[in-house]
Amino acid sequence: AQSVTQLGSHVSVSEGALVLLRCNYSSSVPPYLFWYVQYPNQGLQLLLKYTSAATLVKGINGFEAEFKKSETSFHLTKPSAHMSDAAEYFCAVSDDYQLTFGKGTKLSVIP
Amino acid sequence: GAGVSQSPSNKVTEKGKDVELRCDPISGHTALYWYRQSLGQGLEFLIYFQGNSAPDKSGLPSDRFSAERTGGSVSTLTIQRTQQEDSAVYLCASSPQSSGINEQYFGPGTRLTVT
Repeated sequence: AQSVTQLGSHVSVSEGALVLLRCNYSSSVPPYLFWYVQYPNQGLQLLLKYTSAATLVKGINGFEAEFKKSETSFHLTKPSAHMSDAAEYFCAVSDDYQLTFGKGTKLSVIP
Repeated sequence: GAGVSQSPSNKVTEKGKDVELRCDPISGHTALYWYRQSLGQGLEFLIYFQGNSAPDKSGLPSDRFSAERTGGSVSTLTIQRTQQEDSAVYLCASSPQSSGINEQYFGPGTRLTVT
């Protein structure tokens, strides 16, 4: 069975500060890992995905994530937060076709 | 190109009524998924269709829930005898094929409120 744990249901950062959203996974097989973003009243949009090609994955809107097998982590970072980054972020794992999501982290950006 | 579309965007129904939620996947995508997003449970997988294969219904919470996919394209999720705990956002997603490596493209969701 696979699972995802996102530490912190709510994270607040100042505009221009580093964004760090934490994700730890559990999977019995090498996982495919994803970060999705959800803006209010919208569906989920893919930020980036890890498919074993490279451990540091760059995504859209300046986000990136690093796969660390030894720590079973896939944390999402962005060097400088922008007001438009305020949204809910979901980490997900897939071993075949079904996505298993974490509970989500709501990011607030303080001007 | 057009993304995944869902209708209606909002649905309010009385407890005990049946509802149908519709999903139009991206043209050419063979895999289609339904998820439910609720405050208490987060995002949960409901059902998965791949081409003409038998669907994976392992995530459906009860036998009041059913889904079909006609002609390998449009899908309908039906909830019979709705209960208040069915209130949630129902999200549909599609992908080019069923491999876990493939990104799933999500629709905007249908917000269901059972009164």
